[in-house]
Amino acid sequence: SQELEQSPQSLIVQEGKNLTINCTSSKTLYGLYWYKQKYGEGLIFLMMLQKGGEEKSHEKITAKLDEKKQQSSLHITASQPSHAGIYLCGADLEGSNYKLTFGKGTLLTVNP
Amino acid sequence: DTAVSQTPKYLVTQMGNDKSIKCEQNLGHDTMYWYKQDSKKFLKIMFSYNNKELIINETVPNRFSPKSPDKAHLNLHINSLELGDSAVYFCASSQGQGRVYGYTFGSGTRLTVV
Repeated sequence: SQELEQSPQSLIVQEGKNLTINCTSSKTLYGLYWYKQKYGEGLIFLMMLQKGGEEKSHEKITAKLDEKKQQSSLHITASQPSHAGIYLCGADLEGSNYKLTFGKGTLLTVNP
Repeated sequence: DTAVSQTPKYLVTQMGNDKSIKCEQNLGHDTMYWYKQDSKKFLKIMFSYNNKELIINETVPNRFSPKSPDKAHLNLHINSLELGDSAVYFCASSQGQGRVYGYTFGSGTRLTVV
């Protein structure tokens, strides 16, 4: 099974709506990165969380790492078409040996 | 200044050819990585080097050979290219040992094998 599960796999929302993407691990997370990727482009770093309970915001995007450090959520408030893309979580997992393990991504479509 | 730079950005080549992708980081990081992103956008680790030493070698065919001449460079050479090698290859770097601090990705190399 996947070490890092992202949900949902895809999401279609109307512009202006709020949405949440989850990233759940079967192991302790030592660092959790959120990236956004537009079609055919590179990875855009959004934010990185390390401490249990930590919450960071960038413009209308907020990410949290839960206290037990096994799940992170990414919340977008008042979504806009510019938020559309693939959201990827990558985590430094217990026993990971220098690498980030990625979820399979969430494809977000925002309809105007 | 680009922190992690990869060249080329696009690479189209025929089956059976040998090609290289170069990666350089100017962040002073100790660890560098190669990831492969398949057509379903799943990113998977291929190799990791720490101070020029191979740390991770996932189940990647022997046709793929990474080379790290110094800790700022990690190149990927691919022999006898196959159709299934078509993907986007990302280089990344991080600092520190044991935990992946300051993880930074390059902009990717889109390899198309025809």
